[in-house]
Amino acid sequence: DADVTQTPRNRITKTGKRIMLECSQTKGHDRMYWYRQDPGLGLRLIYYSFDVKDINKGEISDGYSVSRQAQAKFSLSLESAIPNQTALYFCATSDPGVNTGELFFGEGSRLTVL
Amino acid sequence: KNEVEQSPQNLTAQEGEFITINCSYSVGISALHWLQQHPGGGIVSLFMLSSGKKKHGRLIATINIQEKHSSLHITASHPRDSAVYICAVRYGNKLVFGAGTILRVKS
Repeated sequence: DADVTQTPRNRITKTGKRIMLECSQTKGHDRMYWYRQDPGLGLRLIYYSFDVKDINKGEISDGYSVSRQAQAKFSLSLESAIPNQTALYFCATSDPGVNTGELFFGEGSRLTVL
Repeated sequence: KNEVEQSPQNLTAQEGEFITINCSYSVGISALHWLQQHPGGGIVSLFMLSSGKKKHGRLIATINIQEKHSSLHITASHPRDSAVYICAVRYGNKLVFGAGTILRVKS
């Protein structure tokens, strides 16, 4: 099984619909992240969490919300999807150590908003 | 100016060639990551380094902290190396990604 699992892998939805992307990890890491990737741009941080009680906005959090249900689970919600939220979304985890902070990514969730 | 600049943006090589991808950044960092993204979309970590050089198989990553520059080298390139290579720098709790270098290795 993958260390970081995202569901769904692909979703097509309509403007105004609520969408949830789910992420679960088996690494035992406290730190989890949601990123979006658009063609020609680097990965951009939406939200991050350093433990179950910690939620932080990233650089592009508008229109998104998150929930950290447990150490292993971090969900991203689009309350009312719009077409410019069409993108590839990645969940990632990391160890907090400076020397051991390797990143582990999920396979990505491709979202299309019509 | 982006905090992380990668060059080239696109690179086509012939199988067997030596490949270099560059990453320059503008801030003091605690670590730099090189990542690989295959056409299917998944991203895997290749290296994390804060100084010097690391080697894994045919891949070599170097970093020069004073010059704020890192390079990823691929020796004896192969078509299966075709992917997007992404540089990311860590400072404080922030991680900033480059836009990626699209590599295509032809047989």
